[in-house]
Amino acid sequence: QSALTQPASVSGSPGQSITISCTGTSSDVGTYNLVSWYQLHPGKAPKLMIFEVTKRPSGVSTRFSGSKSGNTASLTISGLQAEDEADYYCCSYVDTSTLVFGGGTKLTVL
Amino acid sequence: QVQLQESGPGLVKPSETLSLTCDVSGYSISSGYFWGWIRQPPGKGLEWIGSIFRSGTSYFNPSLKSRVTMSIDKYANHFSLRLSSTTAADTAVYYCARDAGGYNYGQFDSWGQGILVTVSS
Repeated sequence: QSALTQPASVSGSPGQSITISCTGTSSDVGTYNLVSWYQLHPGKAPKLMIFEVTKRPSGVSTRFSGSKSGNTASLTISGLQAEDEADYYCCSYVDTSTLVFGGGTKLTVL
Repeated sequence: QVQLQESGPGLVKPSETLSLTCDVSGYSISSGYFWGWIRQPPGKGLEWIGSIFRSGTSYFNPSLKSRVTMSIDKYANHFSLRLSSTTAADTAVYYCARDAGGYNYGQFDSWGQGILVTVSS
């Protein structure tokens, strides 16, 4: 299975909104509402930000939201803050009962 | 609050088997959930290795399936990973995590801190 496709990098200024896309196929993102998003800060464990496409775990800021259209899922961060600067990865369930991650996106807050 | 901690050798020789254990505290593995291993090679992205349920049911990344073994010890409350025939490409930070999605859905809500394993002679 191939990794989900994410842009290598995105950037935005404090207070702005950015969106990170995650493109898969009809075998994963397109069929299942089982896309998760993870935030990685250097030297720290990944943090679950979104699950089941749109749901936020307890404690995650409402500035983070998820959506999906066809084979592409998206993570939107509104009101960008310096602390949001990190790497973001999407992950999807695949019809072979396996999982696949995206290649990762580096978010820079200008 | 559930906590996970990886342990094992930080250096493995090429062609040898990498063995890691994830100790779980604050939650009984017997109670449910899938438990997974994910790795991140230096400078690269996350890669799912595989996940295992309390019953021993497991799923693996197709690209690693032939080399991966996972086991679960409900009494010791830990689960383990074995990766055989290692090469330098297996050098990575290895994470263990709990999948709270009710199945193997990739909803990893709790993670260990990660352990760097280097494959080198």
